Amino acid sequence: SYELTQPPSVSVSPGQTASITCSGDKLGNKYACWYQQKPGQSPVLLIYQDIKRPSGIPERFSGSNSGNTATLTISGTQAMDEADYYCQAWDSSTVVFGGGTKLTVL
Amino acid sequence: EVQLVESGGGLVQPGGSLRLSCAASGFTFSSYWMHWARQAPGKGLVWVSRINNDGSSTSYADSVKGRFTISRDNAKNTLYLQMNSLRADDTAVYYCAREGSGIAPPFDPWGQGTLVTVSS
Repeated sequence: SYELTQPPSVSVSPGQTASITCSGDKLGNKYACWYQQKPGQSPVLLIYQDIKRPSGIPERFSGSNSGNTATLTISGTQAMDEADYYCQAWDSSTVVFGGGTKLTVL
Repeated sequence: EVQLVESGGGLVQPGGSLRLSCAASGFTFSSYWMHWARQAPGKGLVWVSRINNDGSSTSYADSVKGRFTISRDNAKNTLYLQMNSLRADDTAVYYCAREGSGIAPPFDPWGQGTLVTVSS
């Protein structure tokens, strides 16, 4: 079965750029999306089709996908961005999530 | 406002059954494919099941195949997940989510989740 691998944790200083990776076999040939989940809350869609942002998502969130790795980039990271982040892709007609990355802003 | 509200979670003994519901509002429910996903305490998201817009096609994760059944009632704008032969490792918050449109559609939005605890 298809697997997506994320680093368990990433740390960033306020105002700096955070990058969260998601690795999978030939992931660049698929579309990746990203979700943000804060403690006690439901996931929220951040990025879909690799690079697109739903309305209401700040421009500091961006995505890319090439080769075996999709990347979520948060520019000018704010304290409110501290959360868990999950990548997701489709494998045939099933859905695969990455294991999640805890972003700490310190 | 698009909204999904899950209900039906609770404490159930191993081997027992439970039916979850997801009430949809703010959009034309019958036009959208829908999903269930779950999240065990302190763990990541795991996809569970999917149903097409008219209920004629379903798919399941291997871990629940043969035990869980997804269904929907478009007249009631409600999605269901019938869970049988429950095991301790089914303990999780269960979310319903709407599938978007286009290529590799994302999940948007998600419900607030309902907690299922399988324990004796």
